[in-house]
Amino acid sequence: QVQLVQSGAEVKSPGASVKVSCTASGHTFTDDYIHWVRQTPGQGLDWMGLISPRGGGTTYAHKFQGRITLTGDMSTNTLYMELSGLNSDDTAVYYCVKEGRSQTWDYWGQGTLVTVSS
Amino acid sequence: QTVVTQEPSLTVSPGGTVTLTCTSGTGPVTSGFFPTWFQQKPGQAPVTLIYSTANKHSWTPARFSGSLLGGKAALTLSGAQPEDEADYYCLGYSGGAWVFGGGTKLFVL
Repeated sequence: QVQLVQSGAEVKSPGASVKVSCTASGHTFTDDYIHWVRQTPGQGLDWMGLISPRGGGTTYAHKFQGRITLTGDMSTNTLYMELSGLNSDDTAVYYCVKEGRSQTWDYWGQGTLVTVSS
Repeated sequence: QTVVTQEPSLTVSPGGTVTLTCTSGTGPVTSGFFPTWFQQKPGQAPVTLIYSTANKHSWTPARFSGSLLGGKAALTLSGAQPEDEADYYCLGYSGGAWVFGGGTKLFVL
């Protein structure tokens, strides 16, 4: 059974950075992608970007370019999303989601709440 | 960036049938948009129901189906159950990026 387990909630000050992790169990990455999606309070879902865990290639949504960095450590099957220059609008739940072959979006992490507050 | 539009809310009676749609601001939705549908209940992470237009996961209830309908992506729920009351999000690939629709709040009443 594939599981994506994310790191715990974070509280950050404006201007700081946050790094959220997503560890996969029950799965070996081959031709997959890991996407990062966020949901601000009471709002919809927002695609942030993707990483190819095996090759390291990334694509970022225009909205987050310059502030987001996606990385991975295949020795621990863990992917990371780092967002810099935080402001109150970045208060949200951040999810990792796996996409398998042929655009098969499947498993979601449980979400990580990031609160930006002074 | 492509704008993806969904109905803000819909209501279906228990046992009834409802179709949720997903429209792309760049033109008719095709299979190359790879329409994907998610269900989200309050306080929970989304769950993937349908991928690449019409493909189901092992956990997708049989009463859900995906299709292309009149230039839109569609999610049809046949035989609605009270537990289907949730938010439903469409996702598509356009212009080198993935884009979510604003979501449809489905009421089963």
